[in-house]
Amino acid sequence: EAQVTQNPRYLITVTGKKLTVTCSQNMNHEYMSWYRQDPGLGLRQIYYSMNVEVTDKGDVPEGYKVSRKEKRNFPLILESPSPNQTSLYFCASSLYGGTLSGNTIYFGEGSWLTVV
Amino acid sequence: TQLLEQSPQFLSIQEGENLTVYCNSSSVFSSLQWYRQEPGEGPVLLVTVVTGGEVKKLKRLTFQFGDARKDSSLHITAAQPGDTGLYLCAVGGGGFKTIFGAGTRLFVKA
Repeated sequence: EAQVTQNPRYLITVTGKKLTVTCSQNMNHEYMSWYRQDPGLGLRQIYYSMNVEVTDKGDVPEGYKVSRKEKRNFPLILESPSPNQTSLYFCASSLYGGTLSGNTIYFGEGSWLTVV
Repeated sequence: TQLLEQSPQFLSIQEGENLTVYCNSSSVFSSLQWYRQEPGEGPVLLVTVVTGGEVKKLKRLTFQFGDARKDSSLHITAAQPGDTGLYLCAVGGGGFKTIFGAGTRLFVKA
């Protein structure tokens, strides 16, 4: 079964305490990305990766880091979280970027992050 | 200003009614996708449209890509409570990016 697994699903943390949200996919996809979802703003892309060791900024990369050391894993790192990073985060994977026919974007179930 | 404008933002209707939601832009796209997101879950792909004027049907859902490939609509016939969710449109955002609209939140009352 095609799966994108992200952890933790729920997290409350304090300002400045580094955290990592893990993401793993089992579809051998080359393209992976992270989104945050906020009311009225939809899904905004944070970072994406076209392949191992190849990453690039999305539309809202400030305050986040990523790494792609293995094809299946794409962790999101918040080095010094701030309250404005409180959001619902989604990891996603697909064959390639964009919305061309045949390119389904598979999403994880989401991670609710609260920074106090 | 968002690249994709979805309207309406929120829609609450009775079971059995028909509805149409829209995804508009001033830019031309080679393709567009519609996703549905149910509470507590990630979005799931419904359809991809690639040709101007294209119409695709998925049971009671009808998707249309505008002739100029700048906009798209989703029409639901005889809505059911199971159609409740957030409907998102998405396009390639240049390079390897993917851009999503803010979505239309649909609530169908039994």
